[in-house]
Amino acid sequence: DAGVIQSPRHEVTEMGQEVTLRCKPISGHNSLFWYRQTMMRGLELLIYFNNNVPIDDSGMPEDRFSAKMPNASFSTLKIQPSEPRDSAVYFCASKPSRRNTGELFFGEGSRLTVL
Amino acid sequence: AQRVTQPEKLLSVFKGAPVELKCNYSYSGSPELFWYVQYSRQRLQLLLRHISRESIKGFTADLNKGETSFHLKKPFAQEEDSAMYYCALIQGAQKLVFGQGTRLTINP
Repeated sequence: DAGVIQSPRHEVTEMGQEVTLRCKPISGHNSLFWYRQTMMRGLELLIYFNNNVPIDDSGMPEDRFSAKMPNASFSTLKIQPSEPRDSAVYFCASKPSRRNTGELFFGEGSRLTVL
Repeated sequence: AQRVTQPEKLLSVFKGAPVELKCNYSYSGSPELFWYVQYSRQRLQLLLRHISRESIKGFTADLNKGETSFHLKKPFAQEEDSAMYYCALIQGAQKLVFGQGTRLTINP
């Protein structure tokens, strides 16, 4: 298994543009998480899904951010319009929801730079 | 609110010296705590969990409920321990809340 797959790995865009980040969880994992990593705030949970249903989106910073999980093997995080303060590394992680071991399997991250 | 605090953003020690990465938490209940590690050019991964009471790569962490701490320790640091370390707390059934992280550098 290739693990959690995220794309793009790097994105540079201009303020005001729409950004879409993609994630493919590990097959058989039915919980999916989106995190944002910055120097100042560390790793912040944005939203998580169970069986494709959003369970907690309290970490989504504002209406410019939205996330979807149309099926068990794909999720997107969209920022529209993007702003320079959105620059960060965005991580996707998955886990099998049956096993509550606290172990998340992370992707390699998508580094976003908004100019 | 449940919170994890790592007071040191950066920590630098010499090879062979003891290492302690600090983690404090606030949680109303019985906490489950974890340490995650991100080595250079690798994915963030689980290092250890407190309920396992295990030693991984020479690291141990003891949950101290009186001090609400879960510090990560290693008696003799090695250069390959240089990485970003995150302390985390599980909230509810699934939500993993992370601290701000500590970047550990081991000097030769």
